[in-house]
Amino acid sequence: GENVEQHPSTLSVQEGDSAVIKCTYSDSASNYFPWYKQELGKRPQLIIDIRSNVGEKKDQRIAVTLNKTAKHFSLHITETQPEDSAVYFCAASILTGGGNKLTFGTGTQLKVEL
Amino acid sequence: GAVVSQHPSWVICKSGTSVKIECRSLDFQATTMFWYRQFPKQSLMLMATSNEGSKATYEQGVEKDKFLINHASLTLSTLTVTSAHPEDSSFYICSARLAPGPYEQYFGPGTRLTVT
Repeated sequence: GENVEQHPSTLSVQEGDSAVIKCTYSDSASNYFPWYKQELGKRPQLIIDIRSNVGEKKDQRIAVTLNKTAKHFSLHITETQPEDSAVYFCAASILTGGGNKLTFGTGTQLKVEL
Repeated sequence: GAVVSQHPSWVICKSGTSVKIECRSLDFQATTMFWYRQFPKQSLMLMATSNEGSKATYEQGVEKDKFLINHASLTLSTLTVTSAHPEDSSFYICSARLAPGPYEQYFGPGTRLTVT
């Protein structure tokens, strides 16, 4: 099955700096890569996603890049703010007959310090 | 946007009892729902994929007789934890996929289960 690795496990940045989180996946058939933000005790919130036919996607301060050849994708957050502090999960998905199954990375605890 | 609800939001039960958790898609029909378990400071682990009108598909290592899943309608899936034990204490989260739709899954708010 799919295996997703995520680094780093914790990331501390100063407000206004950029943060980068990286993930690798194992199954070349994966074709959908979402990123979720989860605050303590809350549901994961989709912040951005990318499909395998695109190399990069940007939404305001958030961007995701995908390298299919190397099987890795990254989340970039610019001009970080304290409210960006949360746990971020990457995921990879293969569309199957019964629905797309998400395999999550291990998570990155991002702390944005004043 | 697509909204998924869960009930209850938290539950405490005694060891040996059963607990039912409901997952509802409020404004869309979901042919497929997913159940995840998340232990403190860990990632989401998929337990099973639930398709409306058919048996759930369980991930390796998840006991289907212990975690009963029913997806009786396009808007409701239930997870019953049978004969609960303290090690079943966890955060259970469901998600639903639009039917038919893109790849995005919409997550419920989660249910905190504590077994004493």
